Amino acid sequence: DSGVTQTPKHLITATGQRVTLRCSPRSGDLSVYWYQQSLDQGLQFLIQYYNGEERAKGNILERFSAQQFPDLHSELNLSSLELGDSALYFCASSPGRRASGRDEQFFGPGTRLTVL
Amino acid sequence: GENVEQHPSTLSVQEGDSAVIKCTYSDSASNYFPWYKQELGKGPQLIIDIRSNVGEKKDQRIAVTLNKTAKHFSLHITETQPEDSAVYFCAASKGTGSWGKLQFGAGTQVVVTP
Repeated sequence: DSGVTQTPKHLITATGQRVTLRCSPRSGDLSVYWYQQSLDQGLQFLIQYYNGEERAKGNILERFSAQQFPDLHSELNLSSLELGDSALYFCASSPGRRASGRDEQFFGPGTRLTVL
Repeated sequence: GENVEQHPSTLSVQEGDSAVIKCTYSDSASNYFPWYKQELGKGPQLIIDIRSNVGEKKDQRIAVTLNKTAKHFSLHITETQPEDSAVYFCAASKGTGSWGKLQFGAGTQVVVTP
């Protein structure tokens, strides 16, 4: 158990809908990362937050957005869903303290999204 | 941007034999190289990592080597056991202190047969 929790575990929805995925980082971790895992694209970085602020963006679609709240949990919002958005979505967290040099990322169990 | 290539895509080994997975990266600024193991239905689990100021690191039956000049790094698993069967991913990052995203390889499906 990595200490990172994600809900829900599974999500089935229809095209055009909007969903919210939730992530709670490990205790004390300030950085949260979101990754998408699909069969054809592999593990792809979407976005990173550090202590409430967006830090880095990857190949995240404009239909997707995220935020990190004061209690450090994060949510990934996916809207106008398409069939191709079906994938596993992982959240990872890391200490995020630059001075510590600690940058190991620990992954949650993921949310499996199925768009029908 | 960074590109990470991983080989082989599948690897079958007999229990007790060694397994080696190789990755190459393109960005010479990358300085952190973790390896993850992903079992079916689970999230990737960090098993070992290496930083660019180190050439080799060992943890029990697993070891990672890094050749900065050639821009490649490898995972070695010795005395493989059936529970080592999983998908293994290499990754590269330019970050320290969590400022860097992970760029993953495509993964290697390892099957250990008793």
